[in-house]
Amino acid sequence: QKEVEQNSGPLSVPEGAIASLNCTYSDRGSQSFFWYRQYSGKSPELIMFIYSNGDKEDGRFTAQLNKASQYVSLLIRDSQPSDSATYLCAVYASGGSYIPTFGRGTSLIVHP
Amino acid sequence: GAVVSQHPSWVICKSGTSVKIECRSLDFQATTMFWYRQFPKQSLMLMATSNEGSKATYEQGVEKDKFLINHASLTLSTLTVTSAHPEDSSFYICSARAQNREEGYTFGSGTRLTVV
Repeated sequence: QKEVEQNSGPLSVPEGAIASLNCTYSDRGSQSFFWYRQYSGKSPELIMFIYSNGDKEDGRFTAQLNKASQYVSLLIRDSQPSDSATYLCAVYASGGSYIPTFGRGTSLIVHP
Repeated sequence: GAVVSQHPSWVICKSGTSVKIECRSLDFQATTMFWYRQFPKQSLMLMATSNEGSKATYEQGVEKDKFLINHASLTLSTLTVTSAHPEDSSFYICSARAQNREEGYTFGSGTRLTVV
């Protein structure tokens, strides 16, 4: 069974700090990795996606992928209170099924 | 980017009645759409995969006769909660993937269902 693991948190960081969110996955053949942000009572919205090993940066967000370690992370620089939300990691299984497996999400709290 | 429109955003209904939720892909064709349910402070739970022109594929434990899914066109999928009960109260979210777009799945805005 394909699994995606995330620490549920909450992860609490002060405003301006770097928030580091981690995700591990069990399917070694996974090819696509996505980070979604979900505010309470809202549906998830895409933050970043990454396919290749290494880092991918978009503004204050950096996704890091290490396929050998089956690990993907999201760094949020200069964290703001508005970043407080639940962050979902999603992994596309190998084999072209295109059905993502979601982690349970990590709750992030950025306090002023 | 790809846009998925979901309606209604919230609905309150009486026990025993049925509720229909619509999910439309606005600027792309979606041969496959997904329906999720999410209870408070819990993760997304995939209920079913909706396939255009064919029967939906339901996840284990999801009653197909209670959660009717219709995907009659490439841009519209509907979820009907039949004979709703208070335990069906939840946040229902659809998602779809635009082919050949690398951004993966786009979610609808979700429907908050309250059964009283």
